[in-house]
Amino acid sequence: ELKVEQNPLFLSMQEGKNYTIYCNYSTTSDRLYWYRQDPGKSLESLFVLLSNGAVKQEGRLMASLDTKARLSTLHITAAVHDLSATYFCAVDTNTGNQFYFGTGTSLTVIP
Amino acid sequence: SAVISQKPSRDICQRGTSLTIQCQVDSQVTMMFWYRQQPGQSLTLIATANQGSEATYESGFVIDKFPISRPNLTFSTLTVSNMSPEDSSIYLCSVEFWGQAGNTIYFGEGSWLTVV
Repeated sequence: ELKVEQNPLFLSMQEGKNYTIYCNYSTTSDRLYWYRQDPGKSLESLFVLLSNGAVKQEGRLMASLDTKARLSTLHITAAVHDLSATYFCAVDTNTGNQFYFGTGTSLTVIP
Repeated sequence: SAVISQKPSRDICQRGTSLTIQCQVDSQVTMMFWYRQQPGQSLTLIATANQGSEATYESGFVIDKFPISRPNLTFSTLTVSNMSPEDSSIYLCSVEFWGQAGNTIYFGEGSWLTVV
């Protein structure tokens, strides 16, 4: 059974601090995605990582992918309150067009 | 990217009734996906809908409970049948879109269903 696990599930951090969210998956995949979900809203695509070693950055968020370790990270630099949301990673299996979502990380940035 | 519209955005439904959710995309897409997100949970894929063929359901989901239509390349519907409070969830329509950066999945705004 395919598993996509995120760590931590809940994260409370102070503004200005750095932190990393981890996404581990159990299947072979070269494609990993990060999404953001605000309360009461749908999902917003943040990053698409398409190969081993891929690194993408947008503002205070940086995502990376290690397909050999089956691990992706989402690094938050100098957090601000506007980053408070739930973050999901998702894996696209190499064998078909199916996306499997991680457990989600609920991030709260405290002023 | 793709713009995806869902209707209804929210509804309160009586136990035992059925509700059909509509999903309209602003461009033609081969595959459309239906997800469920129960309160405080992650997303679970219900089924994949290709135009011109029957939907493919994931384990734990059956056609009698969640019938899906896909009449053309820009539209799909998901019906939640004989609803119970356990069906209270967000139902999300999504499409796979291929761009210069590869493929990604875009989501509609979601349909928030509460069954009472």
